[in-house]
Amino acid sequence: EDQVTQSPEALRLQEGESSSLNCSYTVSGLRGLFWYRQDPGKGPEFLFTLYSAGEEKEKERLKATLTKKESFLHITAPKPEDSATYLCAVQRGFGNEKLTFGTGTRLTIIP
Amino acid sequence: KAGVTQTPRYLIKTRGQQVTLSCSPISGHRSVSWYQQTPGQGLQFLFEYFSETQRNKGNFPGRFSGRQFSNSRSEMNVSTLELGDSALYLCASSRGATQETQYFGPGTRLLVL
Repeated sequence: EDQVTQSPEALRLQEGESSSLNCSYTVSGLRGLFWYRQDPGKGPEFLFTLYSAGEEKEKERLKATLTKKESFLHITAPKPEDSATYLCAVQRGFGNEKLTFGTGTRLTIIP
Repeated sequence: KAGVTQTPRYLIKTRGQQVTLSCSPISGHRSVSWYQQTPGQGLQFLFEYFSETQRNKGNFPGRFSGRQFSNSRSEMNVSTLELGDSALYLCASSRGATQETQYFGPGTRLLVL
């Protein structure tokens, strides 16, 4: 069965203090790894899709990387508006659209 | 381009009742997936529909069912509600091809009393 483990569960950072969130996964035949951001009471907002080991994607202060066993979401010089829960999910492939999610990392950026 | 819409946004029901939730996908998207989100279990996959056919199903009891219409809009139904069904129900849409990103709606918050 597909498994996704995210760490840490919660992270508090000072504004401007860079850090990384981890997503470890076990899946047979990974087709895609997805990062979402979720604000309280809202649906997940898409951030990145990574398809193969070595791939990297960036968006503003966020950078996602992928290896064969894990993915990292690097946050550089975060701002208070980056506070949210960050979710990682894996997908097997065509005909199996199911996303298996981790439980998320709750990130708080302190001004 | 309009995003995924879900109605209603909030619902309060009592045990034993049934409920129907609605999801309208992004225009051009043919796949609709449903997820249940609770504080204890996180996001759990319920089922996925593509071109009016259920293509995948998660590990939920038969009380949870769904359908998709020819315009790709989808509904999910929960019969004989239990207290544990209180959750945020999220709908996500994609074009349905491999490696396609799923885009989520705002969710329906269901409270069962």
